[in-house]
Amino acid sequence: GNSVTQMEGPVTLSEEAFLTINCTYTATGYPSLFWYVQYPGEGLQLLLKATKADDKGSNKGFEATYRKETTSFHLEKGSVQVSDSAVYFCALSDNQAGTALIFGKGTTLSVSS
Amino acid sequence: GAGVSQSPSNKVTEKGKDVELRCDPISGHTALYWYRQRLGQGLEFLIYFQGNSAPDKSGLPSDRFSAERTGESVSTLTIQRTQQEDSAVYLCASSMDSFVVRTEAFFGQGTRLTVV
Repeated sequence: GNSVTQMEGPVTLSEEAFLTINCTYTATGYPSLFWYVQYPGEGLQLLLKATKADDKGSNKGFEATYRKETTSFHLEKGSVQVSDSAVYFCALSDNQAGTALIFGKGTTLSVSS
Repeated sequence: GAGVSQSPSNKVTEKGKDVELRCDPISGHTALYWYRQRLGQGLEFLIYFQGNSAPDKSGLPSDRFSAERTGESVSTLTIQRTQQEDSAVYLCASSMDSFVVRTEAFFGQGTRLTVV
């Protein structure tokens, strides 16, 4: 079945460091891919998405490219800020089913000044 | 309200008791989802509702779990005869339709259920 695997956390970085959070997926069809973020005390919110191979999603300085050949959707940011401290979830949607999102376990990012 | 609202935010219950969790979706959102997040785990899909169609219950882990939704309004998730393994954060999300690739799913802050 479909699944999402993302790197274990926590990830601890200093401000302005480069961030990569790895995400790989298994899917039978051609899913859409998402990154959700959960800031402390808040609900999950969509960070970015990509709906087909080679698409790049971007938002708030974060980017992720849908790589079908490596079944990956790694999240990157060139210079993190303290305010980026949160839990990040990679997710996929099976477009054939067109219904629920399948989530990874989440990666906690902690950025210090 | 402006967002998805869930209540209660925290619930502690004794093993064997029934609990009811509530979700108020964003007005006008036809699709509503319930997820469960156990400690250290990803979000586990439980059930989704789309308008007046029959709900997709394929993620419900046992017959102790049930959910209702009247039209496009409030949904309740009921867990009967709670067990300790039911302890988790229960998240509700809503979207304009069932195809999340087209519209964004908005999440509530969840209900943290602890079964003692």
